[in-house]
Order: sequence, then structure tokens, then C-alpha cells
Amino acid sequence: DAGVIQSPRHEVTEMGQEVTLRCKPISGHNSLFWYRQTMMRGLELLIYFNNNVPIDDSGMPEDRFSAKMPNASFSTLKIQPSEPRDSAVYFCASSLLPMNTEAFFGQGTRLTVV
Amino acid sequence: QQQVKQSPQSLIVQKGGISIINCAYENTAFDYFPWYQQFPGKGPALLIAIRPDVSEKKEGRFTISFNKSAKQFSLHIMDSQPGDSATYFCAASIWSGGGGSNYKLTFGKGTLLTVNP
Repeated sequence: DAGVIQSPRHEVTEMGQEVTLRCKPISGHNSLFWYRQTMMRGLELLIYFNNNVPIDDSGMPEDRFSAKMPNASFSTLKIQPSEPRDSAVYFCASSLLPMNTEAFFGQGTRLTVV
Repeated sequence: QQQVKQSPQSLIVQKGGISIINCAYENTAFDYFPWYQQFPGKGPALLIAIRPDVSEKKEGRFTISFNKSAKQFSLHIMDSQPGDSATYFCAASIWSGGGGSNYKLTFGKGTLLTVNP
């Protein structure tokens, strides 16, 4: 298996623009997580899907952030409009819960908003 | 409220030495404690994990020590090697709580480990 695949790897955008991050989880996994990593705040969970349904979105910072999982093999995280403080590395992870406790992370998308 | 506190922020160890990273948690419902390792430009990857029914778990040079009464757990890396240089994250979640948002991992802020040759 290729693992969790995220795209793009790097994104530079101007403040106010819409940004869409994409994630393909490991085939067969039923849970998907979006995390944001910054030096100041570390790894923060933004949203958690189970069987394509959002279970916990309490970590989504504000209405500018939205996430979707239209099917078991694809998820998006959208920021509209983007702001410089959104600059971070965004990770997607997937798991097969509850049978396997391990979360498999993608390589991340480094977002820079200028 | 930070539910998992990790220390130190950074650690420098000589090759062959012992690296020790500590974590403390607040939520007594946590019952699954993994450690993740992250290399630059990569996502975190599971290194080793422990459940609170044991006080220690060892896998090769990596050992987790768990103290339930003190609500603390630590990672020991024996015979540290330059290839161990990475950022280490402790985490916690509720595994036996019936699912839902209990499964989400709460991470510590990470420890940057540098092992000098």
C-alpha cells in the first residue's frame, strides 16, 4: 500500500484566497483525521471522520475552515478565505478503528499564506 | 487546556547515551498511550505504545515506563544513535470508552532529540 497520500506537498497562496488540501487514506481504513502542526501549538486535531461521517469537529478553528469526506477514499480540507496565521503543516491520518489503534500519517502539506 | 504535557522541549545526547522524554496527563480516562517519531519533512509514525495494565513495555532499544498513580509516562531510548535524531511526540486517548470522539489522540508538544556522533 502507498500509505496516506496528501496533495499538494507545498502550497503558497495569497491572503484571502481559497485553499484546498486533499487526502487519500489507506484503502480499507474507516477513520480519517486532519491535524495541523505549528511550532507554537504542536499537533492539533482539526476534525475526525468515521465511515465518512464527521464525528468530532471541535478542533476546527473557525468557519473559514471546512472539511468533507465524500467517499471512503478521499477527503478535502478547505480554507476560505485564507489568512497568514493559517500557515502551518497540515497532516491527514487514517486508521482502522477500533481494531487497530495506530494512526498512519501522510507526509503533510506545508501551507504558506502571504 | 493542555491535557498532555511533554518535557523537555529539546534534548541533546551523545551517541550511546540514554535519552529520556517525559509526559504527564490530566484525564484519568485516558487508557492508551502511544509515542510517535517524526523525521523532518515526514509525518509522525507510531514508535511504541502502552496500555495502563502494564507498567513497562520494551521494544528493542525503546522502552515506555508508565506510572498510573502519578499520571506520567516516559520514553527511554537506550544506546541512542544519530539515526534516532527526530522529534518525538507522546499522545493519549480513551480506547475503551465506546468509540466516537474518545478515539482521538491528544498529542504533547514534542521533543526535538539530537544525538551527536
